[in-house]
Amino acid sequence: GENVEQHPSTLSVQEGDSAVIKCTYSDSASNYFPWYKQELGKRPQLIIDIRSNMDKRQGQRVTVLLNKTVKHLSLQIAATQPGDSAVYFCAETFSGGYQKVTFGTGTKLQVIP
Amino acid sequence: GAVVSQHPSRVICKSGTSVKIECRSLDFQATTMFWYRQFPKQSLMLMATSNEGSKATYEQGVEKDKFLINHASLTLSTLTVTSAHPEDSSFYICSAGGTSYNSPLHFGNGTRLTVT
Repeated sequence: GENVEQHPSTLSVQEGDSAVIKCTYSDSASNYFPWYKQELGKRPQLIIDIRSNMDKRQGQRVTVLLNKTVKHLSLQIAATQPGDSAVYFCAETFSGGYQKVTFGTGTKLQVIP
Repeated sequence: GAVVSQHPSRVICKSGTSVKIECRSLDFQATTMFWYRQFPKQSLMLMATSNEGSKATYEQGVEKDKFLINHASLTLSTLTVTSAHPEDSSFYICSAGGTSYNSPLHFGNGTRLTVT
């Protein structure tokens, strides 16, 4: 079955520094990789995603890299702010109208003011 | 944008009773909805896939007779936790995607279930 390993499980950074989270997925059929931010007691919020026809995508302060050869993903959050403190999940899915999503194990990010 | 509404947001029930959670797609039709469970400090684990007009598909280890799923229309799926026990206390989240290749996944706000 699908499996997504994510590390680190916890990450503390100083405000203004960058945070990097890495994932390894197992399903070579996966072609869509969303990243979610989840605050305590709330639903996951999509922050950025990448499809398998790309190897890099940038958003506002976030960059995601995809290496399909080794099935690696990474998320970089630049210039971190206290509001970035949350749990982050990578995920994989095969986007074919049937969007079963497998989530990574999660990274709790703490941005220290 | 597309919205998924989930109710109730919080529920406390006594052990042995049943609880129903509703998930509605408000402005789009969802032939498929997904139910996830999240224990404290853990990831979201898929419980089952709810298919409109047919039986749900359950993940390995999820008891279909305990977690009843009904997807009677293109906008509503329900999850009923039957004979709830304290170990069923968790955060339950539904999600729904569109039917096209590029449709994003939309999550409900989740239901915090506490079984006493």
